[in-house]
Amino acid sequence: GNSVTQMEGPVTLSEEAFLTINCTYTATGYPSLFWYVQYPGEGLQLLLKATKADDKGSNKGFEATYRKETTSFHLEKGSVQVSDSAVYFCASVMNYGGSQGNLIFGKGTKLSVKP
Amino acid sequence: DSGVTQTPKHLITATGQRVTLRCSPRSGDLSVYWYQQSLDQGLQFLIQYYNGEERAKGNILERFSAQQFPDLHSELNLSSLELGDSALYFCASSVAQGLAGETQYFGPGTRLLVL
Repeated sequence: GNSVTQMEGPVTLSEEAFLTINCTYTATGYPSLFWYVQYPGEGLQLLLKATKADDKGSNKGFEATYRKETTSFHLEKGSVQVSDSAVYFCASVMNYGGSQGNLIFGKGTKLSVKP
Repeated sequence: DSGVTQTPKHLITATGQRVTLRCSPRSGDLSVYWYQQSLDQGLQFLIQYYNGEERAKGNILERFSAQQFPDLHSELNLSSLELGDSALYFCASSVAQGLAGETQYFGPGTRLLVL
C-alpha cells in the first residue's frame, strides 16, 4: 500500500544552521506530496506542496523537490530560526481515480532550534 | 487561522461513555476529513465526507461514526470509549474531493482524554 517514511527525530540545530529532513514515499502511481508543520499546541499548517515530478515547493525559506527517480521529497532550509521549532510532517495523497483523497502521513520529525 | 473550526477544544470523559466532536469547514469547502493523532499510531485518516456523502473510509473503528450535515458541518461520534481512544482529533476541509494535490486545511483539533 501507499506509505510515507521520514527521518526519525528529534533534530536539534543551532540558529542559522542548514536543515534537511528526509522523506520518501511508496505509492501505486504518482501522488501529490506535502509538508505540514505543527507548532506546539496548534493544528497542522500546510508548509509547501508539489503535485508532479520535478516540481519544487517553497515557502518561508523552506524548499522541497519532488524526485520521482528516488521517490523522495526532502525538506530543506538554508538557515533555521528559533521560530522554526516545530514538528514537521511529510504526507502524500493520490492524484486520480478511485483512490481516496486522504493524506497519508509520515510519523513526524521534531525540530528544536537553539539560539 | 485556517478557517476550520472545531469544538470542543478539550474533552475529558470516562470509559464507556459517548462523545460528539464537531467541525465546521472553511466557507465553500465541500469535503471534510477526520484524522486521529496519537503517540503510538501517529496521524491516521479516519473518514472523509464530500457534500454530505461518505467518500472514503480509513482505519475507523466500528464504535466511531460520522456524518456531514446539509450545512456541511460534520460530527464525529465516539462511543463505548476506551482508554486507548485518548488522542487529538483533527478535522480538515478541502474545496472538492481531495485529489490532484488539493490542499487540506486543518482545524486546531479536539483533545480527548478518556479516564
